[in-house]
Amino acid sequence: AQSVAQPEDQVNVAEGNPLTVKCTYSVSGNPYLFWYVQYPNRGLQFLLKYITGDNLVKGSYGFEAEFNKSQTSFHLKKPSALVSDSALYFCAVSPSNTGKLIFGQGTTLQVKP
Amino acid sequence: GAGVSQSPSNKVTEKGKDVELRCDPISGHTALYWYRQSLGQGLEFLIYFQGNSAPDKSGLPSDRFSAERTGGSVSTLTIQRTQQEDSAVYLCASSYPAASSPSSLAKNIQYFGAGTRLSVL
Repeated sequence: AQSVAQPEDQVNVAEGNPLTVKCTYSVSGNPYLFWYVQYPNRGLQFLLKYITGDNLVKGSYGFEAEFNKSQTSFHLKKPSALVSDSALYFCAVSPSNTGKLIFGQGTTLQVKP
Repeated sequence: GAGVSQSPSNKVTEKGKDVELRCDPISGHTALYWYRQSLGQGLEFLIYFQGNSAPDKSGLPSDRFSAERTGGSVSTLTIQRTQQEDSAVYLCASSYPAASSPSSLAKNIQYFGAGTRLSVL
């Protein structure tokens, strides 16, 4: 079965510290991987994607993610967290670009001043 | 429009009533998706339209759910005989088809509306 796992319901970091939000996936074929962010009462906003090429992908707002094929992971990272980064983050996979996205359960990021 | 537009933003209905949710995709996007976001189930795929192709309905939870897309643009998600477990936020997204994205940057990216919050009493 194709799935995405985000093992942490919540991640807490202090402002200025690096952050990591974890994601692993299970999919047949070549995965198309995405990170989206959701602020309260808002839709999902695209952050970054991995389709092919360099394993380190850079996206919006200083976020980046590293694709690791052997570990089937696509962790989201940022070198220095901001309070305004506090939101709900979703990892998603589109199996071989079938169109639909399979989402993880989401991870709430809390950045404290 | 500038983004994906969904209406209404909130809908309260009584159990057993039918509801219609509307999605207006970004101009030029031929792919349209419906998802459901609920506390217990997270974000679930419901249905996917791509141009004139038959839609992928594999995510629809029951035959009470249906969707159509008229003229290749606006889509309506209909839930008949609503149940309390249908209460959720219904999200719509649109995208360029991969083969004709204007740039590699836009390729495969789904753009989401703000959603319709459905409450079934």
